[in-house]
Amino acid sequence: ETGVTQTPRHLVMGMTNKKSLKCEQHLGHNAMYWYKQSAKKPLELMFVYSLEERVENNSVPSRFSPECPNSSHLFLHLHTLQPEDSALYLCASSQDRSGETQYFGPGTRLLVL
Amino acid sequence: ILNVEQSPQSLHVQEGDSTNFTCSFPSSNFYALHWYRWETAKSPEALFVMTLNGDEKKKGRISATLNTKEGYSYLYIKGSQPEDSATYLCALDNYGQNFVFGPGTRLSVLP
Repeated sequence: ETGVTQTPRHLVMGMTNKKSLKCEQHLGHNAMYWYKQSAKKPLELMFVYSLEERVENNSVPSRFSPECPNSSHLFLHLHTLQPEDSALYLCASSQDRSGETQYFGPGTRLLVL
Repeated sequence: ILNVEQSPQSLHVQEGDSTNFTCSFPSSNFYALHWYRWETAKSPEALFVMTLNGDEKKKGRISATLNTKEGYSYLYIKGSQPEDSATYLCALDNYGQNFVFGPGTRLSVLP
């Protein structure tokens, strides 16, 4: 148990659906992250929030929309996804943005049909 | 685009063997190098954060070294056990500019 929880753990959605992934951290951290793990690819950083402000967006398509309402919660809103977006989505948090250990949640396994 | 490489891609060793693997990274704008251990169906677990050239860190049977001038880090496992089977990831931290993971080394320890 890392102190970072993610829901749901598994999600199947059609290309026209809208869904949201939720991440919550109970560690008092100031930075939160979304990562994508596709088959046979390294973990890819998608978004970084520091003190509830987005500080990095690595050219992620607009069909992925993050939201950080407070320092403990992070959402990833999904709409009109493509089958190639099927992947494991991991959330992480750290005390501050750089040079700190990141603590990962268990991930959401997403399948887009 | 920063390129973090790890070798070998996968490794099979017998229980009791010692092993090591490599993480290579561009040395410019270096801030920190992170090592993680990722077991199947679990979350990645932090092993080490290394910042200084020549750093050596140890956690039980696992240790790591860092050479920031030539851009590499080694992870060593002494006396491998089946529970060490996992994917070992390194990540380059460029202080707010990038956080880039390598592809990982998948270790299988056979009893």
